[in-house]
Amino acid sequence: GAGVSQSPRYKVAKRGQDVALRCDPISGHVSLFWYQQALGQGPEFLTYFQNEAQLDKSGLPSDRFFAERPEGSVSTLKIQRTQQEDSAVYLCASSLIGTDFSQPQHFGDGTRLSIL
Amino acid sequence: GENVEQHPSTLSVQEGDSAVIKCTYSDSASNYFPWYKQELGKGPQLIIDIRSNVGEKKDQRIAVTLNKTAKHFSLHITETQPEDSAVYFCAAINKNTGFQKLVFGTGTRLLVSP
Repeated sequence: GAGVSQSPRYKVAKRGQDVALRCDPISGHVSLFWYQQALGQGPEFLTYFQNEAQLDKSGLPSDRFFAERPEGSVSTLKIQRTQQEDSAVYLCASSLIGTDFSQPQHFGDGTRLSIL
Repeated sequence: GENVEQHPSTLSVQEGDSAVIKCTYSDSASNYFPWYKQELGKGPQLIIDIRSNVGEKKDQRIAVTLNKTAKHFSLHITETQPEDSAVYFCAAINKNTGFQKLVFGTGTRLLVSP
């Protein structure tokens, strides 16, 4: 079946612009995660959804970052007034249910965001 | 919070050799340790995992060991092949967080030369 799909694959924006990154999780997956991966680093947790509820957003770097999943399926990560330090790969992952530690997280291929 | 350290940062081996990647974690409450392989331009892919009640797990050419006392866990790849070349990440999850909050290491770039 289809995996986690992210769009766009690449996004270039000027500093100060707003961007929106989309994630389509695997069908039926209750839990959805966003990660930020800087160049040469491991992914870092941003936020976690169970269905439409955002249960943890402790990893969001600032109030310029906002994520939503209004119908419990597709999620959007929005970054307002982008800055150069926001340049990174943004990864989305989904799992059948995030509270079941026997269920793995499946990652999408990410959106590479470059802020000029 | 949890901190995961990983080494080496790069590892070059000849095809057929073994490769070992080591990680340490700081939070003794962590109890689930997955390993991910990331190829260029792709997302991380789970290759093996181990839970804190198990000391070793093997899947064909890949094995993972866990030393809870020392808070160490390691990935072992035997009979390496060029297609094993990728960046490998270890990760840890503290079950007390209530969900799969992955904390990743900084990655090891493995290069297998033919």
